Amino acid sequence: AQKVTQAQTEISVVEKEDVTLDCVYETRDTTYYLFWYKQPPSGELVFLIRRNSFDEQNEISGRYSWNFQKSTSSFNFTITASQVVDSAVYFCALSEAGNDMRFGAGTRLTVKP
Amino acid sequence: SAVISQKPSRDICQRGTSLTIQCQVDSQVTMMFWYRQQPGQSLTLIATANQGSEATYESGFVIDKFPISRPNLTFSTLTVSNMSPEDSSIYLCSVDASPLYNEQFFGPGTRLTVL
Repeated sequence: AQKVTQAQTEISVVEKEDVTLDCVYETRDTTYYLFWYKQPPSGELVFLIRRNSFDEQNEISGRYSWNFQKSTSSFNFTITASQVVDSAVYFCALSEAGNDMRFGAGTRLTVKP
Repeated sequence: SAVISQKPSRDICQRGTSLTIQCQVDSQVTMMFWYRQQPGQSLTLIATANQGSEATYESGFVIDKFPISRPNLTFSTLTVSNMSPEDSSIYLCSVDASPLYNEQFFGPGTRLTVL
């Protein structure tokens, strides 16, 4: 069965600090997809990234970067130079064969000015 | 990208009543999903809604409590039946628009409060 673990329940940083959100997953499939979503206080889910299991290249998008390592079954998310607007709950999710997603418990990030 | 709307956006209901939530997508999609997010919790998959067949429910969710309709490729409904305060949650509709789009889309959610 697929499973996603986000061990960090809450993280608090000061603005401009870098922060890494951890995500560890379990799956028996060789084809799967990993996602990160942001849920700000307003409640909507904002898509950040989707990565398939055959693409281990790290990705950078502005201040966001993702480190996908199949050897450790991890898909960690780093925010560089954090800003107050980054405060939100961040969810990592796993989908086998691109179907339904299983979410981690989420990490609540608070960025203080 | 796929745009998803949900109705109602929020509702306050009395114990024992039922509420039907609608999900409309602006493009045809094969698979639609319904999730529940209880207060302060993560998202839990309720069921997968397939057009032309019965929905597939996850463990802990049953059709009598959460009947689902999927009459066509752009629309689905989820009914929360015989509600109790424990059903107070955000209910989200999601679609998988792959392989056209490299993301999974979520609706804005329906915030349900049961008194």
